[in-house]
Amino acid sequence: ETGVTQTPRHLVMGMTNKKSLKCEQHLGHNAMYWYKQSAKKPLELMFVYSLEERVENNSVPSRFSPECPNSSHLFLHLHTLQPEDSALYLCASSQSRGARSGYTFGSGTRLTVV
Amino acid sequence: DAKTTQPTSMDCAEGRAANLPCNHSTISGNEYVYWYRQIHSQGPQYIIHGLKNNETNEMASLIITEDRKSSTLILPHATLRDTAVYYCIVRVEGSARQLTFGSGTQLTVLP
Repeated sequence: ETGVTQTPRHLVMGMTNKKSLKCEQHLGHNAMYWYKQSAKKPLELMFVYSLEERVENNSVPSRFSPECPNSSHLFLHLHTLQPEDSALYLCASSQSRGARSGYTFGSGTRLTVV
Repeated sequence: DAKTTQPTSMDCAEGRAANLPCNHSTISGNEYVYWYRQIHSQGPQYIIHGLKNNETNEMASLIITEDRKSSTLILPHATLRDTAVYYCIVRVEGSARQLTFGSGTQLTVLP
């Protein structure tokens, strides 16, 4: 357990479904991130939240919708996904200033879109 | 953030030291060198970071050349559990900017 908890660990969803991924951290960090890792590809940053404000959106399709209700929780709402969206979705947190210990990642949600 | 170059893959015998190189010739003065690793299908794990002095912790040692254009991560006694993809990243410490991952080095520890 790293201090960043992601649920569910595995998710299978149809293209017409709506689902949400959840991330929770109790490390006192004030920045949270969503990354996507497709098979045999480097991690791709999707969204950055700092002090509960979205500060970065790396041209992610609108079928992915993040939500950060407070500094400890981050959600990724999914709707009308495509099979190519199947991937490992990773959440991370950090102190946005003076991040001496770097980022702490969760174990990820393995998403399969059928 | 400066770009890094790492070998695609390396093998190491169990119990021996694993030395993973990284080139970062365009590193700027306020950029730190960070190392992370990712064991298959898990989230990346922070290992160590440094600016210009060599660093050591319970997981590894980081050797940075005097000109800071390259570094080496050393796992002193590699075990099978150290098999993972190792990422070398340079960034300004405390930056709110994202951590950008390259392709890393696949280290395979052989029995």
